[in-house]
Formats: sequence, C-alpha cells, structure tokens
Amino acid sequence: EPEVTQTPSHQVTQMGQEVILRCVPISNHLYFYWYRQILGQKVEFLVSFYNNEISEKSEIFDDQFSVERPDGSNFTLKIRSTKLEDSAMYFCASNDGALTEAFFGQGTRLTVV
Amino acid sequence: GENVEQHPSTLSVQEGDSAVIKCTYSDSASNYFPWYKQELGKRPQLIIDIRSNVGEKKDQRIAVTLNKTAKHFSLHITETQPEDSAVYFCAASRYNQGGKLIFGQGTELSVKP
Repeated sequence: EPEVTQTPSHQVTQMGQEVILRCVPISNHLYFYWYRQILGQKVEFLVSFYNNEISEKSEIFDDQFSVERPDGSNFTLKIRSTKLEDSAMYFCASNDGALTEAFFGQGTRLTVV
Repeated sequence: GENVEQHPSTLSVQEGDSAVIKCTYSDSASNYFPWYKQELGKRPQLIIDIRSNVGEKKDQRIAVTLNKTAKHFSLHITETQPEDSAVYFCAASRYNQGGKLIFGQGTELSVKP
C-alpha cells in the first residue's frame, strides 16, 4: 500500500540553526500539506501546496518557514532559524483531491535545544 | 476564525460499551468532516469521514452523524475493544481552502478490559 514517507524520524538541532524536513508524498497525489503537533496537543495546520505553489498558510507559518517541491517526488519544509518553541512533531500529508482522505507520514520529531 | 471544539478530552469505557465523541465547528462553509485515530507515537489515520450532503455514515462498529444546522458532528463506536484505545481527532475542511484540515483538541479513549 502506498504511503507518505518522512525523513528524518528525529532531528535535534540547536536554536538558531536551519533545518529541512523531507517528505515523499504518495505519487499520484496533487495536494501536499505540513502539520505540526506539539506534544500532547492537537494537530495544527501549517501550509498547503498545490500546483507548485502555496494555496494556504496559517499564522504559524511565518517568514521563518518555507516549502519547496524541488523535484517530482520530494516536498520539503525548511525552518530558517529554529526557536525552542518549534519543537514538535511535524507531519507531512497528501491527498488527491481537496475533500478526500489525507494520508499522513509517520512524522519527524524536531527537538530544538 | 475557524475553530473545532471537541469533547470530552478523555473518555474511559468498559470493553463492550459504546463511546461517543462530539465536535462542533465554527465555519458554516465546512463540508468535509474526517475522524482520525492516533495511537501513541504514530501517525494519525483516517477511520471514517462524512461529507455535508450526508447526515449519517456507518462502517461496521463506527458511525458518524452530522447536524449541519447545529454545526456539530459525532463519532460513535459500539462494542468497544481494548485496541480501540487511542486519541481520536475530529477535523473540518471546506473545498475552497485546498483541503486544509482544522482539528479538534482530541479525545483520549481508554477501553478497559
């Protein structure tokens, strides 16, 4: 069964450093998303991406964040200068239509120290 | 702004009993309502979803009901089993937001054998 894959599974970084989280969405999907989940809290929307551009972003997704689809398979989230409060589980998701099941990756646990 | 409220935050039932989780949403234009199950340390996985043109949907022991007028929807799990223990999230979305999901706060369901 196809699935969304994310790397790395766990990333530890120093405050102020840049991190890139990587995702490979399901191959025939058209919509891509990043969500984050602070430990013990709800899943929060960060950004959606369709047709090679951002379709919507949340207030959390400020100038420190960027997304890219550098080739036909990868979808990346970059945090330019990490803060302690960026520590969370980051989930990538994809689907083939706006109102269809979103498949989530297994997540990248980001720890900023 | 868009918001989804979910209750209760924790729910403990005996094996074989039913469990009901309720959500209300603020955006009257929402038209897609998925429910996700998240086991500890794992990715959210869709268990059932409903669109706004339907009032009820059932899949074996799981059912979801939607009341568009009241802007609330509920998850019903019958004949609960210990493996149903997990955190359940409701979410809401609308077509012209590119599939962005707004999640509720989650319900930690514990099924005691």
